[in-house]
Amino acid sequence: GDSVTQMEGPVTLSEEAFLTINCTYTATGYPSLFWYVQYPGEGLQLLLKATKADDKGSNKGFEATYRKETTSFHLEKGSVQVSDSAVYFCALTNQAGTALIFGKGTTLSVSS
Amino acid sequence: NAGVTQTPKFQVLKTGQSMTLQCAQDMNHNSMYWYRQDPGMGLRLIYYSASEGTTDKGEVPNGYNVSRLNKREFSLRLESAAPSQTSVYFCASSEKMRLEQYFGPGTRLTVT
Repeated sequence: GDSVTQMEGPVTLSEEAFLTINCTYTATGYPSLFWYVQYPGEGLQLLLKATKADDKGSNKGFEATYRKETTSFHLEKGSVQVSDSAVYFCALTNQAGTALIFGKGTTLSVSS
Repeated sequence: NAGVTQTPKFQVLKTGQSMTLQCAQDMNHNSMYWYRQDPGMGLRLIYYSASEGTTDKGEVPNGYNVSRLNKREFSLRLESAAPSQTSVYFCASSEKMRLEQYFGPGTRLTVT
């Protein structure tokens, strides 16, 4: 079935470091892909999305490109801030289009 | 615009007790969802409602029931709570299936 695999965390970085969080997926068809972020004690917020191959989603300095050939949707940011500390979830729409399938989440901790 | 609201925020139940988690959205979305979040497991879909008047099972529906009361409200009921249902529960909504989902702040449930 459809699934999402994210890199294991936690990821610990210093402020202004470059961030990559890997996400690969298995899916039938052409799912939409999403990155969500969860700050401590809060619900999930949509960070960015891509709906077709080669689309690049971007928001708040974060970017991810929908790579069909490598079935990947890696999240990147050129210079992280302490305020980026959160849990990041990669997700895709399931084949039936009825729900999202989430990865297990990657915890990012940024220190000053 | 409150978005997606959930009540209560916290709840402690004894094994065998019942309760209903409430969810409401003010974005005029057609589709609504209930997820549970457990450590290291990501989010897993319990039930969803593609539109008013319809509900369907997700990945982990056992022990739960839902009601789509109207377009705004989607409740989740635990008839006889078990310790395995200790989790954080999130409600979400989307304009249509396959589109991005908007999440509520969550309900942290502990069953002793």
